Amino acid sequence: EVQLVESGGGLVQPGRSLRLSCAASGFTFHDYAMQWVRQAPGKGLEWVSGISRNSGNIGYADSVKGRFTISRDNAKNSLYLQMNSLRAEDTALYYCAKSPLWFGEFDYWGQGILVTVSS
Amino acid sequence: EIVLTQSPDFQSVTPKEKVTITCRASQSIGSTLHWYQQKPDQSPKLLIKYASQSISGVPSRFSGSGSGTDFTLTINSLEAEDAAAYYCHQSSRLPYTFGQGTKLEIK
Repeated sequence: EVQLVESGGGLVQPGRSLRLSCAASGFTFHDYAMQWVRQAPGKGLEWVSGISRNSGNIGYADSVKGRFTISRDNAKNSLYLQMNSLRAEDTALYYCAKSPLWFGEFDYWGQGILVTVSS
Repeated sequence: EIVLTQSPDFQSVTPKEKVTITCRASQSIGSTLHWYQQKPDQSPKLLIKYASQSISGVPSRFSGSGSGTDFTLTINSLEAEDAAAYYCHQSSRLPYTFGQGTKLEIK
């Protein structure tokens, strides 16, 4: 059974940092590109960042470029999102998702982890 | 950035009705358009990939069509369990983008 389990969220003050993790199981992790997508309370979906199978391709939304860093450890079947200089508008439920191709669909999503940026 | 515009934003429908949701891209994206369903308090679920390709386990009443800039998600014979938000998503070029969503309410 495919599982994507996010962790590392919580309440953080503006300007501080947080690192999200996504533990993958039930599929061959290094065969898939991975994505982070967020959803602010009561709002729609926003793609945040993506990374290809071997980390050769990486992309970011303009809203997080220069502040967030995506990475993966294929040996540990894990995906990460380092979030620095957090802002109130980064408050959201963060999902990790897998995609068969770098320019492909997101075929399975985790349950999400809440990040709240507030003083 | 490619902007995806869905219509309608909200629709109230009765069971067994046929529903059509459209997604228009600000520039041509070929067939790299995917549809997701998100029920309340759940994570999104892939419904249709590459505009019209079906997904294993998804009921056959869900279908997709279109290419270029205009795409459609059709739900034939709506069921009560289809109450959800529906999103289109383009993976043609970075940054990937989503439509604003269409909320379906079942009367």
